[in-house]
Amino acid sequence: DIQMTQSPSTLSASVGDRVTITCRASQSIRSWLAWYQQKPGKAPNLLIYEASILDSGVPSRFSGSGSGTEFTLTISSLQPDDFATYYCQQYNTYSYTFGQGTKLEIK
Amino acid sequence: QLQLQESGPGLVKPSETLSLTCTVSGGSISSSIYYWGWIRQPPGKGLEWIGSIYYGGSTYYNPSLKSRVTVSVDTSKNQFSLKLTSVTAADTAVYYCARHPGKVTSRYFDLWGRGTLVTVSS
Repeated sequence: DIQMTQSPSTLSASVGDRVTITCRASQSIRSWLAWYQQKPGKAPNLLIYEASILDSGVPSRFSGSGSGTEFTLTISSLQPDDFATYYCQQYNTYSYTFGQGTKLEIK
Repeated sequence: QLQLQESGPGLVKPSETLSLTCTVSGGSISSSIYYWGWIRQPPGKGLEWIGSIYYGGSTYYNPSLKSRVTVSVDTSKNQFSLKLTSVTAADTAVYYCARHPGKVTSRYFDLWGRGTLVTVSS
């Protein structure tokens, strides 16, 4: 299986901050990476697919980049609604794996 | 608007079989575009993909769970189901059903059910 490692595990930030979350794959996954946002008690919500394409309705303050083994999710100016847990997921192989999650907390 | 809804027992005894159903409403499960999958999340932990199925019946599973998992589809009821055998406390989790496109380059989960908590306990 391809292992996905996110960093940091927890991130404390303030409204208006620019934040970046990193996801590393144990082998190349080309651009086949998605990012999800999950709020407590809710299902994950797709933000980005193919590493950098925003899903419909996702605010433009979210962006994704990377290819191969290293990827980033950036939120350009944090809004109160953005405090949540974020997961990456690879779909390069027929055995999908997720990162362990990054919890974005209010500082 | 297409929606997914999980259903099934919230409590399962150790060594027994966990059975869940996902009902697709507002659209057809018999879409040539999509696969239908199961993902779980133990309390306070991350996400683990379990398996996926096409309406025609083709399946693929997480290798770590493959020996215990069966995913099936009933197009007449617009449902797909999960069976997980020989459960232990480690199988306690919120179980989500979700949809992903079938294209090799698009297998991300773009629609999720709300999830259902299954606890394994005697």
